[in-house]
Amino acid sequence: AQSVSQHNHHVILSEAASLELGCNYSYGGTVNLFWYVQYPGQHLQLLLKYFSGDPLVKGIKGFEAEFIKSKFSFNLRKPSVQWSDTAEYFCAVNPRGNNRLAFGKGNQVVVIP
Amino acid sequence: SQTIHQWPATLVQPVGSPLSLECTVEGTSNPNLYWYRQAAGRGLQLLFYSVGIGQISSEVPQNLSASRPQDRQFILSSKKLLLSDSGFYLCAWSVPGNGAHFSYEQYFGPGTRLTVT
Repeated sequence: AQSVSQHNHHVILSEAASLELGCNYSYGGTVNLFWYVQYPGQHLQLLLKYFSGDPLVKGIKGFEAEFIKSKFSFNLRKPSVQWSDTAEYFCAVNPRGNNRLAFGKGNQVVVIP
Repeated sequence: SQTIHQWPATLVQPVGSPLSLECTVEGTSNPNLYWYRQAAGRGLQLLFYSVGIGQISSEVPQNLSASRPQDRQFILSSKKLLLSDSGFYLCAWSVPGNGAHFSYEQYFGPGTRLTVT
């Protein structure tokens, strides 16, 4: 079945540590890719997106993600996290031409001051 | 600018009672509309989506139904709630797509926390 996989559901790290969250998908063909973030008590909001072009995309708050087509991956990175990055992060995949987004199960990230 | 509203924010209902959750979007026309359920550790599950008035696609067979009586209004309903219907329900909208060159980026509302007792 087509799916979106996020591993290591709970991540705990200290401020200034680097963060990398993996996202793999099993859809064939062209896809649009997204990372969403949900801060405690807030709406789910878009962190960054990839449609085409440069496979390294920059998002808000110093986040970036790299699309590797051969690996069906869209991993999220931040070189140095802050306490305010504590949130749940969701990868989402939209097969091109389809109305729907398929979400991964999310990564709960806790940054310790 | 576009905004999306959901109400109520929280709801406690007894088993067997009816349900109506409402979502409205402002500042855009003919949006695609979506209902999701979010469960801890399980991500977001798409329940229904709509590309126009009266057009509803159901993703998961269940005790819930959806309706779109107006262009920017999307309603999630149930005739008789089950305990398993408890959860966090999110409404989202996107600009209508036009095939290969559209992003389908979705914008989410604040959600409704439903507890069935």
